[in-house]
Amino acid sequence: EAGVTQSPTHLIKTRGQQATLRCSPISGHTSVYWYQQALGLGLQFLLWYDEGEERNRGNFPPRFSGRQFPNYSSELNVNALELEDSALYLCASSFRGMAKNIQYFGAGTRLSVL
Amino acid sequence: GQQVMQIPQYQHVQEGEDFTTYCNSSTTLSNIQWYKQRPGGHPVFLIQLVKSGEVKKQKRLTFQFGEAKKNSSLHITATQTTDVGTYFCAGRAGGGTSYGKLTFGQGTILTVHP
Repeated sequence: EAGVTQSPTHLIKTRGQQATLRCSPISGHTSVYWYQQALGLGLQFLLWYDEGEERNRGNFPPRFSGRQFPNYSSELNVNALELEDSALYLCASSFRGMAKNIQYFGAGTRLSVL
Repeated sequence: GQQVMQIPQYQHVQEGEDFTTYCNSSTTLSNIQWYKQRPGGHPVFLIQLVKSGEVKKQKRLTFQFGEAKKNSSLHITATQTTDVGTYFCAGRAGGGTSYGKLTFGQGTILTVHP
């Protein structure tokens, strides 16, 4: 069974540009979570999607947005990129995001903003 | 908002020594999860604790959840070089706006010297 897949693996952008990151959850999982992991730091929660709707959002500016498609895959969009957006962006999926469900992580997209 | 503090930030041990990382939440948790991230890798789920005072073991790893469900610990007995990585705790609050959201601690980076 395939795990959580993310693309691209690496993404290089310049300040002010837009970045789009993609995530395909494990088959059968309906919830997708996005996290930002800056170098040497922990995981900061960005967004949670379930059944196509945004369910919760972390403390990030509105230029971080996303969506979930009918097949439960998801996109994370970062507009007006800033240097400090450089980080590893991790996607995780779970069964319907109830309190006890485990999150399975993808390998991440490393975004570099120059 | 909910905060999860994890200590220590770094731990260097000689192979064979024990290791413990501690996790404290500012709010009562419905459950806590532990993840391990190898260098260059992504977080991998280790275990979930749900009940007050729960203790679970996985070979040399012992996980505890505090009676008040606000703190947790991970103890590794007789560390091996394969234990190297960053250990994260992640707590989930019971409901409200935190529903579905895992709050990660900053992680403890473990290095093991052979």
